[in-house]
Amino acid sequence: GNSVTQMEGPVTLSEEAFLTINCTYTATGYPSLFWYVQYPGEGLQLLLKATKADDKGSNKGFEATYRKETTSFHLEKGSVQVSDSAVYFCALRSNRDDKIIFGKGTRLHILP
Amino acid sequence: GAVVSQHPSRVICKSGTSVKIECRSLDFQATTMFWYRQFPKQSLMLMATSNEGSKATYEQGVEKDKFLINHASLTLSTLTVTSAHPEDSSFYICSWAGDSTDTQYFGPGTRLTVL
Repeated sequence: GNSVTQMEGPVTLSEEAFLTINCTYTATGYPSLFWYVQYPGEGLQLLLKATKADDKGSNKGFEATYRKETTSFHLEKGSVQVSDSAVYFCALRSNRDDKIIFGKGTRLHILP
Repeated sequence: GAVVSQHPSRVICKSGTSVKIECRSLDFQATTMFWYRQFPKQSLMLMATSNEGSKATYEQGVEKDKFLINHASLTLSTLTVTSAHPEDSSFYICSWAGDSTDTQYFGPGTRLTVL
């Protein structure tokens, strides 16, 4: 079945460091891919998405490219801020149903 | 953006009691909503999909008689964990479907601890 695997956290970085959170997926067909972010005390929010191979999703300085050949959707940001501290979830939605499959989440701590 | 609330945010109960969790969309209406469960260090797992006015559709392995869903309106849904046991301790999250199939608006979650 469909699944999402993302790197385990927590990930701790200093402010202005480069961030990569790895995500790979297993799915039949051509899924849509997402990154969600959950700030403390809040619900998950859609951060970015990509719906087909080679698409790049971007938002708030974060980017992720849909790589079908490596079945990956790694999240990157060139210079993180303290306010980026949150839990990040990689997810997919199969084009056969509306269900979203989530990874386990990666907690990110940014130190000032 | 769309705002979803859940109440309570935390609840501790004794084994055998029932617990009700509310999920409200505060500034929008939607027909379809979802209930998820997240165990520590695990993924969010979809428990059920609910459409207002219809019976909820439960995922395989989720007992519909144990997790009662009442989708009362386009802005309110409740999840009742009946006869809770320690293994039901988890983080329960609701979401409401947006205009497109790729959009869901999530609540902040309810942490249930069953003693």
